[in-house]
Amino acid sequence: EDKVVQSPLSLVVHEGDTVTLNCSYEVTNFRSLLWYKQEKKAPTFLFMLTSSGIEKKSGRLSSILDKKELSSILNITATQTGDSAIYLCAPAGGGADGLTFGKGTHLIIQP
Amino acid sequence: DAGVTQSPTHLIKTRGQQVTLRCSPISGHKSVSWYQQVLGQGPQFIFQYYEKEERGRGNFPDRFSARQFPNYSSELNVNALLLGDSALYLCASSLALRAGGKNIQYFGAGTRLSVL
Repeated sequence: EDKVVQSPLSLVVHEGDTVTLNCSYEVTNFRSLLWYKQEKKAPTFLFMLTSSGIEKKSGRLSSILDKKELSSILNITATQTGDSAIYLCAPAGGGADGLTFGKGTHLIIQP
Repeated sequence: DAGVTQSPTHLIKTRGQQVTLRCSPISGHKSVSWYQQVLGQGPQFIFQYYEKEERGRGNFPDRFSARQFPNYSSELNVNALLLGDSALYLCASSLALRAGGKNIQYFGAGTRLSVL
């Protein structure tokens, strides 16, 4: 059975801090790993990672995949209150069984 | 361009009733997936449809069913509602069937179902 573990489950930091969110996975026929940000309802796409060691960056957010360790991290630098959200990690396997999501990391940025 | 749209946004039902949720994918997307998200958990996969055929099914009882129409929109039906069916139901659309490459699932805002 596919398994995704995210840590920490919740995190409270102050504006300007840097945070690192972790995701470890076990999935059959791994193809890619996706990160989403969920503020109220719709998860919004952040990154798709398919190759080990290649960092994807978008502004203050970056992510990297380690296929050997079956893990990924999401970094956010110079955090802002608008970064407060649940961050979801979802590895995708080779079948048509959808994405397997972790429980998410609930990130709260305090002013 | 319009994103994934879902209706209704909120729904209140009583135990034993039936409900139908609707989803319109992004234009050009042929695959629709349904997920259930209960409070404090990540979304859990229910179904994936591609080209109007069911291509994947999660670990949900037969009370859950879905279909995809020729215009690629989709409906999720849940019969004999239980209190535990209360959740946010999310629809995601993608270009193709399998994740990877450029095949990203984009989510709608969901339907919040409350079963009393």
